[in-house]
Amino acid sequence: DAGVTQSPTHLIKTRGQQVTLRCSPKSGHDTVSWYQQALGQGPQFIFQYYEEEERQRGNFPDRFSGHQFPNYSSELNVNALLLGDSALYLCASSSTTGGGETQYFGPGTRLLVL
Amino acid sequence: GDSVTQMEGPVTLSEEAFLTINCTYTATGYPSLFWYVQYPGEGLQLLLKATKADDKGSNKGFEATYRKETTSFHLEKGSVQVSDSAVYFCALSGLFASGTYKYIFGTGTRLKVLA
Repeated sequence: DAGVTQSPTHLIKTRGQQVTLRCSPKSGHDTVSWYQQALGQGPQFIFQYYEEEERQRGNFPDRFSGHQFPNYSSELNVNALLLGDSALYLCASSSTTGGGETQYFGPGTRLLVL
Repeated sequence: GDSVTQMEGPVTLSEEAFLTINCTYTATGYPSLFWYVQYPGEGLQLLLKATKADDKGSNKGFEATYRKETTSFHLEKGSVQVSDSAVYFCALSGLFASGTYKYIFGTGTRLKVLA
């Protein structure tokens, strides 16, 4: 049973560019959450997708957007990249039928903005 | 709003020493509490959890007890190993009105165990 997978593992972009990160949830999970983890900090909640809709959003600007596909996989898009967007982006999946409280994290995508 | 406060690190211990990492929380309602571990260059792995007051979560020799009266969830291990060196995150689950959950994390505590 594959866990949560993310791609790519590393990414280098320049300011102003756009980036797309991808996540496949754990088998049987229907909810995907995205987090940003800056160096030396705890993960910060970006948003959560369920039934292909953004259900909740953290304190992140509209430059951060996402999508969930019918197979429950998800994408995180960031437009007009800033230096401060450099971070580890974590995807977590959970199951609403299982109560939804326990989230399982992927290995993350490390984004560097130059 | 909901929040999690962890003791600042780094914590440096000798192998076989006793470990305590403090975690306190502020939350409305009765959240579930979690400890996650992050090894260098990796994502977060669930270490243990507790879903209600007085529950004790345990895994791999680590344990933590959900203390409602002190709003704490301190992580302990009786004898640490070099392989336990990592960053440890305390987290609580916050319930949205929609019925889904998000996590609120502490800032993490780096543990370094010396041979």
